[in-house]
Amino acid sequence: DQQVKQNSPSLSVQEGRISILNCDYTNSMFDYFLWYKKYPAEGPTFLISISSIKDKNEDGRFTVFLNKSAKHLSLHIVPSQPGDSAVYFCAAKNGAGSYQLTFGKGTKLSVIP
Amino acid sequence: GAGVSQSPSNKVTEKGKDVELRCDPISGHTALYWYRQSLGQGLEFLIYFQGNSAPDKSGLPSDRFSAERTGGSVSTLTIQRTQQEDSAVYLCASSLLGLNTQYFGPGTRLTVL
Repeated sequence: DQQVKQNSPSLSVQEGRISILNCDYTNSMFDYFLWYKKYPAEGPTFLISISSIKDKNEDGRFTVFLNKSAKHLSLHIVPSQPGDSAVYFCAAKNGAGSYQLTFGKGTKLSVIP
Repeated sequence: GAGVSQSPSNKVTEKGKDVELRCDPISGHTALYWYRQSLGQGLEFLIYFQGNSAPDKSGLPSDRFSAERTGGSVSTLTIQRTQQEDSAVYLCASSLLGLNTQYFGPGTRLTVL
């Protein structure tokens, strides 16, 4: 039973345009969400996060939006750059005092020059 | 400063052999996590260490898997009598106590023939 779902295994975007990566979750106890980026043969790199008490967090070209009622979050990358091409994982943490991260299966983003 | 390091980067072994995977967390990080990523899957939590507390082993898939953390720093994940389904990338992460963001190492790719 997947608690964190990334329904798009891949996404292609033209350089300079917006990339939107989506993530859905089922566990209403999740209180913190993170996005990680992973290049081949490297470990995941932390990108941006958001607490469940917020609905938006922005860091440079990256913005994460959280819709709690829909149990949905998204990562926006504007403008997209070829170096953004990687696999993006959505992860969620379950409640205060918890430490396990539950990950989605990832979305492979390709930014076309 | 140095990030999380793992060794070996690749390990090929024969079914039935034991393997040891090593993780050096970021200096000062008291929390250490092991995950694994099987082909086409998200990251799966295995075990968590926090300081001198008893580890949370709830994610270990079988009693063939064990882990220890010596001196509150380096950790070793041991898989006994390896099976082909153990083939995966094993990722280690560390974090500061009380913080949500986990920082990952590059992983060890284990192939069981």
